Amino acid sequence: EAQVTQNPRYLITVTGKKLTVTCSQNMNHEYMSWYRQDPGLGLRQIYYSMNVEVTDKGDVPEGYKVSRKEKRNFPLILESPSPNQTSLYFCASSFGGTIYEQYFGPGTRLTVT
Amino acid sequence: TQLLEQSPQFLSIQEGENLTVYCNSSSVFSSLQWYRQEPGEGPVLLVTVVTGGEVKKLKRLTFQFGDARKDSSLHITAAQPGDTGLYLCAVQLRGGTSYGKLTFGQGTILTVHP
Repeated sequence: EAQVTQNPRYLITVTGKKLTVTCSQNMNHEYMSWYRQDPGLGLRQIYYSMNVEVTDKGDVPEGYKVSRKEKRNFPLILESPSPNQTSLYFCASSFGGTIYEQYFGPGTRLTVT
Repeated sequence: TQLLEQSPQFLSIQEGENLTVYCNSSSVFSSLQWYRQEPGEGPVLLVTVVTGGEVKKLKRLTFQFGDARKDSSLHITAAQPGDTGLYLCAVQLRGGTSYGKLTFGQGTILTVHP
């Protein structure tokens, strides 16, 4: 089954404790992206990757890091999480950029206390 | 200031009614997408429009892209409870090198009561 998987689905952590949210897709997509969703703000793009070793900032990249060492994986790293990063995070992938249909993962709900 | 303004933000209607959701901006877009998101899930693409004035139909849903490619509308005929969800428009900005950037509107929460 074609899908985007994220782990963990739920995470409660404390300020400053480094964490990684993993994202993997099995559709051989070149493009992958991370979004955060907050009430009243819709989805905001954090980082995206057009291909392996090619990443770029979205609209809200501060406090996040990403890497794309393999085509199927695109982890999101929070080096020192803060409470304002409490949010619902989605990973997405597509064939070749934003003009194509984006397939979203199930989301990761992160709470930073 | 939001690049995309969706209206209304909330919509609560009875089954069988018609409704229209709007997505507006002052910028020109190369394409625009509509997504639908159900609680606890990621958004799912409904349609992509790329040509000014384009109209696309998906069963009871009709999507229109403005002639100037600055706005779009989603019309639902005879709404059903299964249409309940968050409707999001999203755009890729025309021109430049940011072809990987995608900007979403804040969404319209639709509730259809039986």
